[in-house]
Amino acid sequence: DAGITQSPRHKVTETGTPVTLRCHQTENHRYMYWYRQDPGHGLRLIHYSYGVKDTDKGEVSDGYSVSRSKTEDFLLTLESATSSQTSVYFCAISDQDRAYEQYFGPGTRLTVT
Amino acid sequence: RKEVEQDPGPFNVPEGATVAFNCTYSNSASQSFFWYRQDCRKEPKLLMSVYSSGNEDGRFTAQLNRASQYISLLIRDSKLSDSATYLCAVIRSGDMRFGAGTRLTVKP
Repeated sequence: DAGITQSPRHKVTETGTPVTLRCHQTENHRYMYWYRQDPGHGLRLIHYSYGVKDTDKGEVSDGYSVSRSKTEDFLLTLESATSSQTSVYFCAISDQDRAYEQYFGPGTRLTVT
Repeated sequence: RKEVEQDPGPFNVPEGATVAFNCTYSNSASQSFFWYRQDCRKEPKLLMSVYSSGNEDGRFTAQLNRASQYISLLIRDSKLSDSATYLCAVIRSGDMRFGAGTRLTVKP
């Protein structure tokens, strides 16, 4: 299995609070991604990174920001959490162009009350 | 209309059965195709890529039909351990889009 960890694994937070999720990889892969998964919608890309300090928006980026200051870490921040951001968040990595296979972390289950 | 669509199922089949899932995609410019497997409350894991000529990995066969814009996954001799949700993924212009998944339950 690819060396990807996510923290925290579970979090409950209140509406309006900031939340940061962390993805850490030990594979030295260039590309990292954040997805959310909701029933009926499948996985949807939030943001991705193609290198240190190089990030771009995905399909559902509103309300989220990311940062990547080191190859191994990719942070996802919800500036002011809303109930619609209750979801399971997965980080993924790939070692080639985005067209190639992605490997996922174990996920973070976030509940915004 | 979603860009990638799958029948959510569930598909309930007995052990040993052959089962097939389809996944349709709407954009003809889609370039690469994959099947992922996701166990309950776990992360998706890459099952196999789908090549233009079709490809097989043990009991699993993946096919691509560009003319009709769908990919398929065939599982032969189903095992209890095949019970999971199967996600298809399609890449177009560097963006990967996932279907919502098809749930398979294999019963003894």
